[in-house]
Amino acid sequence: QLQLQESGPGLVKPSETLSLTCTVSGGSISNSNYYWGWIRQPPGKGLEWIASINDSGDTYYNPSLKSRVTISVDTSKNQFSLKVTSVTAADTAVYYCAGILFRLSSSPLDPWGQGALVIVSS
Amino acid sequence: DIQMTQSPSSLSASVGDRVTITCRASQSISNHLNWYQQKPGKAPKVLIYAASTLQSGVPLRFSGSGSGTDFTLTITSLQPEDFATYYCQQSNSVPRTFGQGTKVEIK
Repeated sequence: QLQLQESGPGLVKPSETLSLTCTVSGGSISNSNYYWGWIRQPPGKGLEWIASINDSGDTYYNPSLKSRVTISVDTSKNQFSLKVTSVTAADTAVYYCAGILFRLSSSPLDPWGQGALVIVSS
Repeated sequence: DIQMTQSPSSLSASVGDRVTITCRASQSISNHLNWYQQKPGKAPKVLIYAASTLQSGVPLRFSGSGSGTDFTLTITSLQPEDFATYYCQQSNSVPRTFGQGTKVEIK
C-alpha cells in the first residue's frame, strides 16, 4: 500500500525559500498509475492545489503561485519535492503531498501524506 | 480558473439523518468531480470520484451524482464518524480547484 510522508522545516523566515520533500514508500515513484502533487491548507481555511508533475516530468502549476513554485521528482530517492520562493505570512499552511490516480476518470488525489505545517515568521 | 461553490457552508444534523451537500462549478466540468472528507488534524480522504463512483472501502451510505455544473454528495444515514468537513474538487482543467468546504456538525 502506497504511503506518502512530507518532511522539511516547520519554520521559514519571510523572503526565504520553503522546501519540502515527500517520500513515497510501499511502491515506486515511477509507478505508472500515479502522478504526484502538492496541496496546501492555511490554518482554518480550505484546500489550495499548488502543483503537480507527471511521469514524463511535465509540470503543472497554479497560476497564482507559478512564478514562485517548483515541483520536481528524484526517482533515485523515491521522492518528490516542492520549493516556494520569497515566502510571506500568507504561505503559512499545512502542506500535503498526494498521489494523483490519473488513470481513473477525474484523477482523484489518493493517497495523501499526513501533512506538514509550515509557519512563515521571523 | 473554474470556481467551485459548495452549499451549505455548514450544517447541523443528527445521527441517522439524510444529508445532502451541493457543489456548483462556474463552467461545465463533465463528470470530472471528486469528493473528499477531512477530519480535524487529518489529511483529506477521497470518497467519490468521477462524480458518482465510490472509492474502494468507502461505506455505501455515501453517494454522489451530477454532471456538467451541478453535483451532489448524499449521506443516507449519518453516522458518528461522518462528522467532518467535505470538499468537492474539479479535475477538468488546471488549476485544479476545490470548493470552500461544508462542515457537518452534530445537532
